[in-house]
Amino acid sequence: DGGITQSPKYLFRKEGQNVTLSCEQNLNHDAMYWYRQDPGQGLRLIYYSQIVNDFQKGDIAEGYSVSREKKESFPLTVTSAQKNPTAFYLCASTPFEGSSGANVLTFGAGSRLTVL
Amino acid sequence: GEDVEQSLFLSVREGDSSVINCTYTDSSSTYLYWYKQEPGAGLQLLTYIFSNMDMKQDQRLTVLLNKKDKHLSLRIADTQTGDSAIYFCAVVNTGFQKLVFGTGTRLLVSP
Repeated sequence: DGGITQSPKYLFRKEGQNVTLSCEQNLNHDAMYWYRQDPGQGLRLIYYSQIVNDFQKGDIAEGYSVSREKKESFPLTVTSAQKNPTAFYLCASTPFEGSSGANVLTFGAGSRLTVL
Repeated sequence: GEDVEQSLFLSVREGDSSVINCTYTDSSSTYLYWYKQEPGAGLQLLTYIFSNMDMKQDQRLTVLLNKKDKHLSLRIADTQTGDSAIYFCAVVNTGFQKLVFGTGTRLLVSP
């Protein structure tokens, strides 16, 4: 079955360490997204990519970095510059039908990062 | 920019109808979505509506769109305990420039 796989499910990090969250999809989707979820704040967009080797900052990109070397993969690195990294991180993808389509997002199961 | 608002909590009894409301600010919004999130999981699409529609029904789900008031609602008929989850409203403007999510409404269904 096609879907999005995020790993790890749970991750603990010491302050000052970088950590990379994995996101892999086998849906042949063009666009991929990273969201951060905090209680009572909904989902906030960190980065997105509509094509391989290209990505754009979302609303809260500071302290994060991404790469898109393959269509299937869109890893997110949470750097030590991110002041409050403890959160639930969600990866999503869509076939990106442009303005004529519904562009429904498919989400992964999420990764919960806790900074100790 | 777009602002999407939802109430944070809703509590209903099993068998009753649930109505979850959402308001948005961008009148150019084209597609409007409802997603469901169960504890510790990702979001699943429940349904979506295009801005030229007023209503969409899918089994127990009814979506109503009032473009004049920029108000979207999701009605769940015969609510079950398995419907307990967080429900997110999301809207996108022309060209899919940006998808904006509401804060989510936590629905609690009691037996």
